[in-house]
Amino acid sequence: IQLTQSPSLLSASVGDRVTLSCKGSQNINNYLAWYQQKLGEAPKLLIYKTNSLQTGIPSRFSGSGSGTDYTLTISSLHSEDLATYYCYQYNNGLTFGSGTKLEIK
Amino acid sequence: EIQLQESGPGLVKPSQSLSLTCSVTGYTITSGYDWSWIRKFPGNKMEWMGYISYSGSTNYNPSLKSRISITRDTSKNQFFLQLNSVTTEDTATYYCARYNNVFDYWGQGVMVTVSS
Repeated sequence: IQLTQSPSLLSASVGDRVTLSCKGSQNINNYLAWYQQKLGEAPKLLIYKTNSLQTGIPSRFSGSGSGTDYTLTISSLHSEDLATYYCYQYNNGLTFGSGTKLEIK
Repeated sequence: EIQLQESGPGLVKPSQSLSLTCSVTGYTITSGYDWSWIRKFPGNKMEWMGYISYSGSTNYNPSLKSRISITRDTSKNQFFLQLNSVTTEDTATYYCARYNNVFDYWGQGVMVTVSS
């Protein structure tokens, strides 16, 4: 399954509501996770099984979606959310999206 | 706390083998889960390479199956990646991670450049 993320680059202001998109080439059956990777750090698991928040992740992060279309939402952007965000599917093989780089205006 | 740490040479010549070690602390790799290698290419594409299970069985990405081997040393709580016949296209940052349908614990990564 191939994953297409959009946009590839997003610029937003602190306090904004931000939505990142991930679209699969086939049905993912909700086996979709989201990772945050800050510069020089390892990826961090944010969300698994579409909408389950990983322990320790702030509640401003949430996930939704079904079928082939999934979304990561940051309800109120913080400056420390500057990072690249990847979706990842584990329904059929294990594949990652190409990432959305989130910049702070 | 579970921690993973990659180690290995940062420069490998084309046609040679790339060998990396992942040292795990805070969890015994034979107790459960699968232990995986993932790489991130310049330009940000990420690729799952394969894993070794707590029982020692392996599962590889079909695109690498002819070149990859993942093994372990249970006495040292380490697992290893060997990638044969490397080319410049294998230049990437290599991560080890614990796999439980998702990758929940990761090492910091090691950058490997394939160049003569």
